[in-house]
Amino acid sequence: AQKITQTQPGMFVQEKEAVTLDCTYDTSDPSYGLFWYKQPSSGEMIFLIYQGSYDQQNATEGRYSLNFQKARKSANLVISASQLGDSAMYFCAMRADTGRRALTFGSGTRLQVQP
Amino acid sequence: NAGVTQTPKFQVLKTGQSMTLQCAQDMNHNSMYWYRQDPGMGLRLIYYSASEGTTDKGEVPNGYNVSRLNKREFSLRLESAAPSQTSVYFCASRKDGYGYTFGSGTRLTVV
Repeated sequence: AQKITQTQPGMFVQEKEAVTLDCTYDTSDPSYGLFWYKQPSSGEMIFLIYQGSYDQQNATEGRYSLNFQKARKSANLVISASQLGDSAMYFCAMRADTGRRALTFGSGTRLQVQP
Repeated sequence: NAGVTQTPKFQVLKTGQSMTLQCAQDMNHNSMYWYRQDPGMGLRLIYYSASEGTTDKGEVPNGYNVSRLNKREFSLRLESAAPSQTSVYFCASRKDGYGYTFGSGTRLTVV
């Protein structure tokens, strides 16, 4: 079984500052993937970034980077230079690399970017 | 546009009524999923389909049935709706590798 924990129900950040959203996970699978999704108020799920458990380097996608610490089972999302449009719910998710490969989601963090 | 299409986008049901949520993808993906999202929570897996004709229960399957009659379509049926099934329902499909595509969701209210 897999479990994702996001301990920050809500976060505030000033525009143009960086923010870190926390995510810890638990799994017994030897190979897995970690994901971050953004859900704006309109409701759609937007894929942000992916990290494989065997990837040596932390993933980066534009202003998003994933701080992957395998020994600590953490996969924090770092958003640099926050923009007002970054205000949304953010979900951390994981899936095993075998079997059904369904995503298991955390409860999310609501990020509000202030001008 | 290629992607996952869900219908309807909104629905209000009375307790005990039945309905089917439709999901179709045109990306030739084998795997498809149904999730529900309750307020303040992440998505939870209801059912999964690895290919046409195969389905498997997820974390919260009670009260639901699914059908995967062909590769494109994966439908979710509520036989007797209950207020506890008020939720936003997402369908997703997966290509080989790690790419998941989500539909825009169906907001269901059971009164």
